[in-house]
Amino acid sequence: QIQLVQSGTEVKKPGASVKISCKASGYSLSNYYMHWVRQAPGQGLEWMGIISPNDADTTRYAQNYQGRVTMTRDTSTGTVYMQLNSLRPEDTAVYYCARASEEQHFDYWGQGTLVTVS
Amino acid sequence: EIVLTQIPLSSPVTLGQPASISCRSSQSLVHSDGNTYLSWLQQRPGQPPRLLIYKISNRFSGVPDRFSGSGAGTDFTLKISRVEAEDVGVYYCMQATQFPPSFGQGTKVEI
Repeated sequence: QIQLVQSGTEVKKPGASVKISCKASGYSLSNYYMHWVRQAPGQGLEWMGIISPNDADTTRYAQNYQGRVTMTRDTSTGTVYMQLNSLRPEDTAVYYCARASEEQHFDYWGQGTLVTVS
Repeated sequence: EIVLTQIPLSSPVTLGQPASISCRSSQSLVHSDGNTYLSWLQQRPGQPPRLLIYKISNRFSGVPDRFSGSGAGTDFTLKISRVEAEDVGVYYCMQATQFPPSFGQGTKVEI
């Protein structure tokens, strides 16, 4: 079955960087876009960006994260990555990867990765 | 950017009774291809979001038929015909018609 398995909890100091992985199984990573969404404690969902399925590795990021975020993919291992730099306490959140179906909805989600910046 | 506004933000419900959540968009969600990319997500406590409904009214695989979606243009509704205990959580509408994708604020459904 289709699964997205993310890397584990991270604790970082302000100013540091974090790189989260999201490993896909049950389908070919190279056929689907992947989004990243974050959720601050007790808050709603916030879209961060998207990475394309093909070798062009096209990415688009939310304006709030431009210059601080980088999304990459390794099709050989079926893994996508999201790196966020210059971390601030307000970046404390659960970060999710979510697959975009062919019809644009987010059909499968990772379990989430808690990042604490303190 | 499209803003989605959900009403209510909190919904006390009674087991076995219906529940309804509204989602209003700041712009029409009809895409140039004719589709409306409005979906509904459920987030149970401590869990990641889960897709319930896509393109207004299509139930995702494994979603019970007590969940239904309706609407058009800028106004959409998620209905639960008979609330069960496992339905407790936060529900989000989400649009992917226009870039960037955006979410409603969430509606907390509690018994």
